[in-house]
Amino acid sequence: EVQLVESGGGLVQPGGSLRLSCAASGFTFSSYEMNWVRQAPGKGLEWVSYISSSGSTIYYADSVKGRFTISRDNAKNSLYLQMNSLRAEDTAVYYCARDVAAAPWFDPWGQGTLVTVSS
Amino acid sequence: QSALTQPASVSGSPGQSITISCTGTSSDVGSYNLVSWYQQHPGKAPKLMIYEVSKRPSGVSNRFSGSKSGNTASLTISGLQAEDEADYYCCSYAGSSTFRVFGGGTKLTVL
Repeated sequence: EVQLVESGGGLVQPGGSLRLSCAASGFTFSSYEMNWVRQAPGKGLEWVSYISSSGSTIYYADSVKGRFTISRDNAKNSLYLQMNSLRAEDTAVYYCARDVAAAPWFDPWGQGTLVTVSS
Repeated sequence: QSALTQPASVSGSPGQSITISCTGTSSDVGSYNLVSWYQQHPGKAPKLMIYEVSKRPSGVSNRFSGSKSGNTASLTISGLQAEDEADYYCCSYAGSSTFRVFGGGTKLTVL
């Protein structure tokens, strides 16, 4: 079964840092592009970042550019999101999501991990 | 990066059909046949329902269909069922600068 499991969320103060992880199983992780997508409480989905299968190509939404860093470890079947200089508006459930066969749609999604930025 | 425009809510009775629109620009929806749709039930992760404008993943009911005209994509659900009540989001590829953009989401209520 294809599965994505996020971890690392929690409460952090404004200006702080947090590192999210996404553990993949049930598929050849190194062959797939991956993404982070977030959803603020009661709000819609927002694409955050993309990384190619090899890690050589990376994209970010303008809202996180310069503060967040996406990375992956294909040997550990894991995706990461390093979040620095966190703001209240970064409060959201963060999902990792796999691209489908190098195409820009997400399937499957993990269950999400909640990040709360508050003092 | 501006979100694609969706109606905030739509409703329909069981057995009826509804259509949710997703309006973008010539830089995203209008330029690429790379629109996808997601269903999200409360407290759950989104689920891919339509990809490449009109294709259905294996296991998705044929009551769900997609189309596109110009800068607007649409999701149609026919034969509405209670379990279709959920939030629906469209998403489009938007080129190498903006990359991916979601719609604001539409809450479907089955009356």
